[in-house]
Amino acid sequence: EDQVTQSPEALRLQEGESSSLNCSYTVSGLRGLFWYRQDPGKGPEFLFTLYSAGEEKEKERLKATLTKKESFLHITAPKPEDSATYLCAVQADNYGQNFVFGPGTRLSVLP
Amino acid sequence: NAGVTQTPKFRVLKTGQSMTLLCAQDMNHEYMYWYRQDPGMGLRLIHYSVGEGTTAKGEVPDGYNVSRLKKQNFLLGLESAAPSQTSVYFCASRQIPSGYNEQFFGPGTRLTVL
Repeated sequence: EDQVTQSPEALRLQEGESSSLNCSYTVSGLRGLFWYRQDPGKGPEFLFTLYSAGEEKEKERLKATLTKKESFLHITAPKPEDSATYLCAVQADNYGQNFVFGPGTRLSVLP
Repeated sequence: NAGVTQTPKFRVLKTGQSMTLLCAQDMNHEYMYWYRQDPGMGLRLIHYSVGEGTTAKGEVPDGYNVSRLKKQNFLLGLESAAPSQTSVYFCASRQIPSGYNEQFFGPGTRLTVL
């Protein structure tokens, strides 16, 4: 069965303490993996798209990587403003133009 | 550009009442989606549209109907609301894929059914 999972469910970091979030997927024919950031009471905001294993993308303190079974969102020296829920979504051959979302990781960065 | 807008932002219904959620986008996107978000379950696709006049069922379509009479608008209807439909509803739009483009999301509608 196709599945997208994220771990941990919640993560609390001190400001400056680097860490990684995980998105694991079991789908056939991955077309793309997407990372979004969601602030409380708002809609998801696009961060990155990764298309093939080995690909990496960076934006400020965030770096996303992709393997054949999972993606990592690395957060380097986080700041309190990085606190949010981070969602990953996959698009695959079975889904046509649709996406399957993971449940998200809720990140809190304490000053 | 306003991007993707949703109305209303909040709504409380009684069981059995009906309502329509409106999604509007000003980016001339072809694809539009309705999701619901529940704690611990992520975003689940309700219905989607690949162009004006077209609609299709997603993962959790029961109890909802949709219409896309104009390219810029996508309406989600609840004919007889149930407490299980208490959720936050998000609309998203996307350009005709050239590659696999990201979705742009609205701010959400928080619906409570008593």
